[in-house]
Amino acid sequence: EPEVTQTPSHQVTQMGQEVILRCVPISNHLYFYWYRQILGQKVEFLVSFYNNEISEKSEIFDDQFSVERPDGSNFTLKIRSTKLEDSAMYFCASREDRWSYGYTFGSGTRLTVV
Amino acid sequence: AQTVTQSQPEMSVQEAETVTLSCTYDTSESNYYLFWYKQPPSRQMILVIRQEAYKQQNATENRFSVNFQKAAKSFSLKISDSQLGDTAMYFCAWGDDKIIFGKGTRLHILP
Repeated sequence: EPEVTQTPSHQVTQMGQEVILRCVPISNHLYFYWYRQILGQKVEFLVSFYNNEISEKSEIFDDQFSVERPDGSNFTLKIRSTKLEDSAMYFCASREDRWSYGYTFGSGTRLTVV
Repeated sequence: AQTVTQSQPEMSVQEAETVTLSCTYDTSESNYYLFWYKQPPSRQMILVIRQEAYKQQNATENRFSVNFQKAAKSFSLKISDSQLGDTAMYFCAWGDDKIIFGKGTRLHILP
């Protein structure tokens, strides 16, 4: 069964450093998403991306965050200057088209900011 | 505002029993999807079951079934013949494009 692949599975970074989280969505999917889950809390929507641009973003997704699909396969989330409160599990998700709900999550990247 | 409420933070049941997890949601949309996701200790998000709001028939996947009451905006999950491997956090979620999650119910299946 096709999978959404996220790398790395765990990343530790120093506060103030830039970090890039990588995702490879399912190949024929057109809609891409990032979600965040702080330990012990619910999963929160960050951003959706379609046709090489952001469709929607949440209040969490401030100027420190950016997304990119640099090469037609990878989908990245960049945090420019990490804060302690950015420590969380970050999930990438993708789906095929607007009318299908084959919504598939990756296994997540655990980001720890120290 | 679109919200999802899970009123049971934690539940425990004996193995082989049936358990029902509650969920209510709020939306003004008429066409949407509802989901239950399972999150084991590995923290992976695993889709348990999905329901399209325009379908009146309740979705079923093996031991998992839902009771979808659209007018009441209620979407409960029933797990029959519960197994030790069902121990996990369960999230109810609502979606049109992005998905809105509830805070979760931590379910313990006791041997």
